[in-house]
Amino acid sequence: GDSVTQMEGPVTLSEEAFLTINCTYTATGYPSLFWYVQYPGEGLQLLLKATKADDKGSNKGFEATYRKETTSFHLEKGSVQVSDSAVYFCALNSYGGATNKLIFGTGTLLAVQP
Amino acid sequence: GAGVSQSPSNKVTEKGKDVELRCDPISGHTALYWYRQRLGQGLEFLIYFQGNSAPDKSGLPSDRFSAERTGESVSTLTIQRTQQEDSAVYLCASSPGTSHEQYFGPGTRLTVT
Repeated sequence: GDSVTQMEGPVTLSEEAFLTINCTYTATGYPSLFWYVQYPGEGLQLLLKATKADDKGSNKGFEATYRKETTSFHLEKGSVQVSDSAVYFCALNSYGGATNKLIFGTGTLLAVQP
Repeated sequence: GAGVSQSPSNKVTEKGKDVELRCDPISGHTALYWYRQRLGQGLEFLIYFQGNSAPDKSGLPSDRFSAERTGESVSTLTIQRTQQEDSAVYLCASSPGTSHEQYFGPGTRLTVT
């Protein structure tokens, strides 16, 4: 079945460091890909998405490119801030019949130190 | 506007008791989803409602789990005869039907003692 694999955390970085969180997927068909973020004490929020190959999703300085040839959707940010500390989830939408359910990775905890 | 809301935010129950979790979706969203997040794991799909169509129950882990939704409004997830392995955060999400984006509620943290 469809699945998402993302790098395990925690990832600890200093402020202004470069961030990469790896995500690869297995899917039949052509899923849309997502990054969700969960800040401490808050609900899950959509960070960015890409709906087809070679699309780049971006938001709040974060970017991810849908790479069909490597089945990847790695999250990057050039300069992280303390406020980026959160758990990041990679996900794809899996069409099971008419169901638009999301398949999630296990999440990566990012801790940014001042 | 108001987001997805869930209640209670926390629930502690004894093994063997039944629990009901509630989800209020965003007004006008026809699709509603329940997910479960166990400690240290990703979210697992449980059940999906879309308008008046038959729900997709393929993610429910056992027949102790059931969910209802009346029209395009509130949904309740019921867990009967709770077990310790049911301890998790239960998340509800809604979407405007065909949109790929799902909007999540804050979750209900269930602890079975």
